[in-house]
Amino acid sequence: GEDVEQSLFLSVREGDSSVINCTYTDSSSTYLYWYKQEPGAGLQLLTYIFSNMDMKQDQRLTVLLNKKDKHLSLRIADTQTGDSAIYFCAHDSGGYQKVTFGTGTKLQVIP
Amino acid sequence: DGGITQSPKYLFRKEGQNVTLSCEQNLNHDAMYWYRQDPGQGLRLIYYSQIVNDFQKGDIAEGYSVSREKKESFPLTVTSAQKNPTAFYLCASSPDPNQPQHFGDGTRLSIL
Repeated sequence: GEDVEQSLFLSVREGDSSVINCTYTDSSSTYLYWYKQEPGAGLQLLTYIFSNMDMKQDQRLTVLLNKKDKHLSLRIADTQTGDSAIYFCAHDSGGYQKVTFGTGTKLQVIP
Repeated sequence: DGGITQSPKYLFRKEGQNVTLSCEQNLNHDAMYWYRQDPGQGLRLIYYSQIVNDFQKGDIAEGYSVSREKKESFPLTVTSAQKNPTAFYLCASSPDPNQPQHFGDGTRLSIL
């Protein structure tokens, strides 16, 4: 079945870069997403990438996609304390836009 | 401002009781979704609707029901048949099923 895996926890110092990784098994995805969830809140769409792209950059965020290895990463440059949250990787599986989410990576930014 | 509004933010259910969670969007989106989030797990799809008066079961529909009588509203009822309802419930919408989903702020449901 479909599976999206992420490490549970990442700790970085303020000002450093953060890299959050994700692996998935479904090769039929059209879009791959990164969402951010702050405590007690819903998910905020951060960025997404088409499956035929290798990289997408949006200000401090860089998404890298290795379709051969089914590996997606999110790099946050100059990480700030406001970036502390849970980050979810997700992908669609075509058709009715069924989206499969990873378990989330909790990013802790140390001042 | 346009967005997705979920209410209430916190909800308590007694044993044997049905409760309804509200989800309203003013984004003019056709597709709407309900997810359940448990600690340490990803989101699991309960129900989704691609258009008014139509909805489909997701991966964990048992013990839940929905309606889609209006484009902007997609309420979720947690019935007494759902034996483990304590969770964080998230509603989402998208312009159509092939566009990214946008989420509300969630409703936390607990058992009294």
